[in-house]
Amino acid sequence: EAGVAQSPRYKIIEKRQSVAFWCNPISGHATLYWYQQILGQGPKLLIQFQNNGVVDDSQLPKDRFSAERLKGVDSTLKIQPAKLEDSAVYLCASSLGGLPEGYTFGSGTRLTVV
Amino acid sequence: AQTVTQSQPEMSVQEAETVTLSCTYDTSESNYYLFWYKQPPSRQMILVIRQEAYKQQNATENRFSVNFQKAAKSFSLKISDSQLGDTAMYFCARGTGNQFYFGTGTSLTVIP
Repeated sequence: EAGVAQSPRYKIIEKRQSVAFWCNPISGHATLYWYQQILGQGPKLLIQFQNNGVVDDSQLPKDRFSAERLKGVDSTLKIQPAKLEDSAVYLCASSLGGLPEGYTFGSGTRLTVV
Repeated sequence: AQTVTQSQPEMSVQEAETVTLSCTYDTSESNYYLFWYKQPPSRQMILVIRQEAYKQQNATENRFSVNFQKAAKSFSLKISDSQLGDTAMYFCARGTGNQFYFGTGTSLTVIP
């Protein structure tokens, strides 16, 4: 089966600019996750979708981050305006049955804010 | 606290040898899952092995096995017959409800 697709692979922007990341999960996976992985740390959950509804966005900095999952398939994560501390790898993951099976991760987008 | 601790930032092992990566965690819950993920330079997180906390038998997947000590809240990963392709970051994670809690990772280098 095809994996979790993410784009772009790399992005460099200046602080205060906006940026968007795209994720296409594995076909049939109802649950989609966005993680932020700062250099030297493990991934941290930003938001979880079940189909097109938000299950958990408690760790999403809502003043600057937003995410949507239209039609319960693809998802977009946006940052506006970006700060230097947003420099990280943004990983998308999807799951068919939830936590017990583990998730399938994409290769991520490396964001550098200068 | 929902912490996962990996106390070895970097490790190396000779090709074909065995290496053990340590992981401890903190939880007050009785039902949870434990995972080891591998992250090569390609950045994709790849599931290596998982363990259900209510199962006493240690999980194994080919050259990968775990030593799960529930009372000690310890979940170490043993890699046997190390191969060059095992070079990567390894993350231990505890899963409860909808969330993973990841450790900070161990960078493993397999030396030819």
